[in-house]
Amino acid sequence: EVQLVESGGGLVQPGRSLRLSCTASGFSFGAYAMSWVRQAPGKGLEWVGFIRSKAYGGTTEYAASVKGRFTISRDDSKSIAYLQMNSLTIEDTAVYYCRGEGYFDYWGQGTLVTVSS
Amino acid sequence: DVVMTQSPLSLPVTLGQPASISCRSSQSLVYSDGDTYLNWFQQRPGQSPRRLIYKVSTRDSGVPDRFSGSGSGTDFTLKISRVEAEDVGVYYCMQGTYWPYSFGQGTKLEIK
Repeated sequence: EVQLVESGGGLVQPGRSLRLSCTASGFSFGAYAMSWVRQAPGKGLEWVGFIRSKAYGGTTEYAASVKGRFTISRDDSKSIAYLQMNSLTIEDTAVYYCRGEGYFDYWGQGTLVTVSS
Repeated sequence: DVVMTQSPLSLPVTLGQPASISCRSSQSLVYSDGDTYLNWFQQRPGQSPRRLIYKVSTRDSGVPDRFSGSGSGTDFTLKISRVEAEDVGVYYCMQGTYWPYSFGQGTKLEIK
């Protein structure tokens, strides 16, 4: 069974950092590009960023709203993708989903990040 | 950046009737390889998004054939031939041709 499980969400103060993890199982993680998508409460989907598979260089792309503050990485030996979030603001409050993109398309259940003082 | 504009934003439909959602991009989504990276996603209430269609018209595995995608260039459409109760939710188009990727605002489908 394919699973993507996000973890690491929670309540954090503005200006602080948080690292989310996305643990994959049931598919060839290393062959998939991984991305992060977020959804603010009651709002639509916002694309956050993307990391290519190692076969395509493992390079990253980011939305303008997070570029320079967020970093995506991956550990193929553990089948985990990470989203390091620094200098968090209230506007970063959202459910964060990880997504595996390939021939198939997989999504996790999401993890809630609340930025508040 | 590419702006994706969906219409309508709210779509009340009678069970068994067809439904259609439009998605327009601010520039052509044809990539240099000749493909058009336009996806459609469904998000049922309380669930994660699920991809229905990729590259304009290719249905994902397990997606009922009442869902179809069409279009080219900057104009795209998702059609549901006969709406069922399980189709309630929000539908998003997303372009994957240009960085940064971008979603439409979403179209909320409800049963009349």
